[in-house]
Amino acid sequence: QVQLVQSGAEVKKPGASVKVSCRASGYTFNTYLIHWVRQAPGLGLEWMGIMNPSGGATNFARKFQGRVTLTSDTSTSTVYMELRSLRSEDTAVYYCSREGRNSENDFWGQGTLVTVSS
Amino acid sequence: DIQMTQSPSSLSASVGDRVTITCRASQGIRNYLAWFQQKPGKAPKSLIYSASSLHNGVPSKFSGSGSGTDFTLTISSLQPEDFATYFCQQYNVYPITFGGGTKVEI
Repeated sequence: QVQLVQSGAEVKKPGASVKVSCRASGYTFNTYLIHWVRQAPGLGLEWMGIMNPSGGATNFARKFQGRVTLTSDTSTSTVYMELRSLRSEDTAVYYCSREGRNSENDFWGQGTLVTVSS
Repeated sequence: DIQMTQSPSSLSASVGDRVTITCRASQGIRNYLAWFQQKPGKAPKSLIYSASSLHNGVPSKFSGSGSGTDFTLTISSLQPEDFATYFCQQYNVYPITFGGGTKVEI
């Protein structure tokens, strides 16, 4: 069955960087795009960007351009999201999600809580 | 960016009730509209895509309709496990955007 398993919670200081992983299983990794979505405490969902693990093409929401990098390792079926210059407003749960054959988000990782605090 | 406006932001309902949630896009998105259910502390769960198609395993008490700018999610007979927050999402154009959510409470 399709699974997306994310890395564990992180605590970072303002100005630092965080790298969250999303390991896929149960399907052919490089044939599906991966989205990243975040959710600040008590708030709604915010789309960050998307990556094609085959070739590495990306597209980001304007507010994250220049501050986020998406990479993939096809040997381990893992996608990574790195967010730099962290600030307190980046405290959120970060989710990876697979884009299905109808362009929809069909499967989601369990989420990774990133806390930014001095 | 396309703004997605959900209403209501919250509602109270009883087991067995029929519930309807609406989602309006600030511009036409054809039928590129999805609905998600989220329970506290959990990842979103995909319910509906292409405005009206159910994901595998989603019970038929959930239904979606609409096209263009106006969409609805209906739960035909609310059950205890349906009390959650529901989000709509447009994926017609980047950036993908979500509605603010509708919390369905007892």
